[in-house]
Amino acid sequence: GAGVSQSPSNKVTEKGKDVELRCDPISGHTALYWYRQSLGQGLEFLIYFQGNSAPDKSGLPSDRFSAERTGGSVSTLTIQRTQQEDSAVYLCASRGLAGGLTDTQYFGPGTRLTVL
Amino acid sequence: AQSVTQLGSHVSVSEGALVLLRCNYSSSVPPYLFWYVQYPNQGLQLLLKYTSAATLVKGINGFEAEFKKSETSFHLTKPSAHMSDAAEYFCAVRAPNSNSGYALNFGKGTSLLVTP
Repeated sequence: GAGVSQSPSNKVTEKGKDVELRCDPISGHTALYWYRQSLGQGLEFLIYFQGNSAPDKSGLPSDRFSAERTGGSVSTLTIQRTQQEDSAVYLCASRGLAGGLTDTQYFGPGTRLTVL
Repeated sequence: AQSVTQLGSHVSVSEGALVLLRCNYSSSVPPYLFWYVQYPNQGLQLLLKYTSAATLVKGINGFEAEFKKSETSFHLTKPSAHMSDAAEYFCAVRAPNSNSGYALNFGKGTSLLVTP
């Protein structure tokens, strides 16, 4: 079946601009995560959505970052007033709950964001 | 807090030689541990996971890992390296916080180079 998809695959923007990154999880997966992969910090958890519940935003690095998930499916990560330190690969993952908490997180290919 | 440390940011082996990628964990509760592989310009793919069942876990592509509580280790091995194994490998531990959907805490990664 189809995996997690993300768009765009690459995004180049100027400092100060806003960007939106999109994630389409695996159909039927209720849990969705955003991670950031950067040279200095490695892979970091950003935010978690479970169904229609309020998300866990504990990993968001600043209030310039926000995310939403519409209809319990597609998610958009928005970065406002981008800074050069926001340059990274943003990865989305989804997880089903049929097998409980040991279910695997399936990752998308990521969006490479470059802030000039 | 749950964390993992990967020893060696770069590992080089000859084709056909043993692959050993080291991962040590720190956890206040029985951990759930994972190894993911990332090929260039791709997302993360699960190799294997430990979920408190058998301590020797077999994964895809001939990889396996052994959970050793006494050594707080979860090293990844493969008896014979193939050129196609060249990639970035990440060890991860599941966070205990259910609020974050048990998000993954990743190590810094180990880049595996396979030489002819």
